[in-house]
Amino acid sequence: LAKTTQPISMDSYEGQEVNITCSHNNIATNDYITWYQQFPSQGPRFIIQGYKTKVTNEVASLFIPADRKSSTLSLPRVSLSDTAVYYCLVGPIYNQGGKLIFGQGTELSVKP
Amino acid sequence: GAVVSQHPSWVICKSGTSVKIECRSLDFQATTMFWYRQFPKQSLMLMATSNEGSKATYEQGVEKDKFLINHASLTLSTLTVTSAHPEDSSFYICSAPPGLAGATPSTDTQYFGPGTRLTVL
Repeated sequence: LAKTTQPISMDSYEGQEVNITCSHNNIATNDYITWYQQFPSQGPRFIIQGYKTKVTNEVASLFIPADRKSSTLSLPRVSLSDTAVYYCLVGPIYNQGGKLIFGQGTELSVKP
Repeated sequence: GAVVSQHPSWVICKSGTSVKIECRSLDFQATTMFWYRQFPKQSLMLMATSNEGSKATYEQGVEKDKFLINHASLTLSTLTVTSAHPEDSSFYICSAPPGLAGATPSTDTQYFGPGTRLTVL
């Protein structure tokens, strides 16, 4: 399973756009990139998943360059409630035997 | 989306006792479920893969005789922490991917339970 590297922590202010970059130099051909959000004392919550280029949903965008060795989670106009730990995971989708291995995550702190 | 529940949400027990944690997929079937452990300020650590109808597979360093896993049905997996000690105090989380093994490949990701906080005195 590909190892991921993320910043340990980030600070932001309400209303700003936050970009969290994840490095995954050893990503395999059948690996997908998935981001999860976790609040204290709760289970992780799926945010977004992609394979290449750009993916957008109602809460975030995921940018993946052509070489797929990194990815960037973009959170538009964050609010205080976006304060959480964000995990980048790389691995095959479940039907290909996907076992999720969590890295250290990025602790995002949004200030008023 | 799919819902995974855990019971209890928190438990306090005395050292030496056993504690059972349940993980249920409420609106889908799961032949496989995963169990994680998370210590304060740390990431989730995968403990084991629970397989319906067969033995669980444990990650390296996880004692299978201490953390008993039973996947009795397509919607229920249980984790029993036997002879618990204070160092077993942690946040235990389960997850389940939607769909049965062998189904049409999907990018659907896994759904996580809300977690169980175990405190061993």
